[in-house]
Amino acid sequence: EAQVTQNPRYLITVTGKKLTVTCSQNMNHEYMSWYRQDPGLGLRQIYYSMNVEVTDKGDVPEGYKVSRKEKRNFPLILESPSPNQTSLYFCASRNGQGIFNEQFFGPGTRLTVL
Amino acid sequence: DAKTTQPNSMESNEEEPVHLPCNHSTISGTDYIHWYRQLPSQGPEYVIHGLTSNVNNRMASLAIAEDRKSSTLILHRATLRDAAVYYCILRDVYQGAQKLVFGQGTRLTINP
Repeated sequence: EAQVTQNPRYLITVTGKKLTVTCSQNMNHEYMSWYRQDPGLGLRQIYYSMNVEVTDKGDVPEGYKVSRKEKRNFPLILESPSPNQTSLYFCASRNGQGIFNEQFFGPGTRLTVL
Repeated sequence: DAKTTQPNSMESNEEEPVHLPCNHSTISGTDYIHWYRQLPSQGPEYVIHGLTSNVNNRMASLAIAEDRKSSTLILHRATLRDAAVYYCILRDVYQGAQKLVFGQGTRLTINP
């Protein structure tokens, strides 16, 4: 089944404790992206990657890092999480051949930083 | 970026058609109209997109006004599973490659 998977789905952590949220897709998509969703603010892009070893900042990149060493994986790294990074996070991917190709979203990771 | 305006919420009954409106009065000639929806506790999913002509797929139909300043997503026969937040998004063909810009969307409630 074509899908985007994220792990973990739920995470409660404390301020300053480094964490990684993994994202993997099995559709051989070139483009991958991370969004966060907050009440009243909607979905906002954090980082995106057009292909392996190519990443760029989205609208809200502060406090986050990403890497794209393999085509299928796009982990989101929070080196020193803070409470304002408590949010619902979504990973997405699409075929890079056409910008209008639909984006496939993962199921989400709910992160709470205490 | 051109903006979209959608009602905050709508309600309909199961097995009836639903018309979800979207206003985009500042749309440019290179903006495509996309619709995504987000079911409860899930990530967004693609519904449909179009430029000028009406579009149909297995999920829905998209009716685009002749002046392109508004569009309507049509669910022909709503089911309980169609209860979701529906997002109308404009994507510029030259600048829209990198991301989707989600607004607040319309929360659709389907009554049994």
